[in-house]
Amino acid sequence: DGGITQSPKYLFRKEGQNVTLSCEQNLNHDAMYWYRQDPGQGLRLIYYSQIVNDFQKGDIAEGYSVSREKKESFPLTVTSAQKNPTAFYLCASSPSQGALNGYTFGSGTRLTVV
Amino acid sequence: ILNVEQSPQSLHVQEGDSTNFTCSFPSSNFYALHWYRWETAKSPEALFVMTLNGDEKKKGRISATLNTKEGYSYLYIKGSQPEDSATYLCAGRGGNFNKFYFGSGTKLNVKP
Repeated sequence: DGGITQSPKYLFRKEGQNVTLSCEQNLNHDAMYWYRQDPGQGLRLIYYSQIVNDFQKGDIAEGYSVSREKKESFPLTVTSAQKNPTAFYLCASSPSQGALNGYTFGSGTRLTVV
Repeated sequence: ILNVEQSPQSLHVQEGDSTNFTCSFPSSNFYALHWYRWETAKSPEALFVMTLNGDEKKKGRISATLNTKEGYSYLYIKGSQPEDSATYLCAGRGGNFNKFYFGSGTKLNVKP
């Protein structure tokens, strides 16, 4: 079945370390997105990519980096510059960035900084 | 940033009750609205994509309406069942933006 796979489900990181969250899709979708969820808040967009080798900053990109070397993969690196990295991270994809396309989401990664 | 708000934040109903909740967004320059259903420990699942004023969409016991002139969408669940328990998210997009902005969700709990 087609879908999005995020790994790992839970991740613990020591302060000062970079960590990379994986997101893979086999839906042949062009657009991919990373969102962050904090308690009581809506999903906030970190980065998005409309096409391979291209990506744009979302609303809270500081302290994060991404790459889009393959259509299927959109990994997110949480760097040591991210001041409050503990959060739930969701990856999503859509056929294109058009408004008529609903998103397909992964099941998320919960990152805890210890 | 597009300000999308949802109310109530949470809702507790008995099995068989019908319920509704609201998503509000700036009415100027509206482009599209999505509704998602997010069950605990699962991925959010797309319910509806709405674009036109007066749109009504239905999927089983769940339906949604859209009023772009006044900037709101309602989600209705008829005869709630325990399996309807989930967080319902809406996401709006304005014409000047090329991305969606999510509300914080309405968490629905249906008691048997």
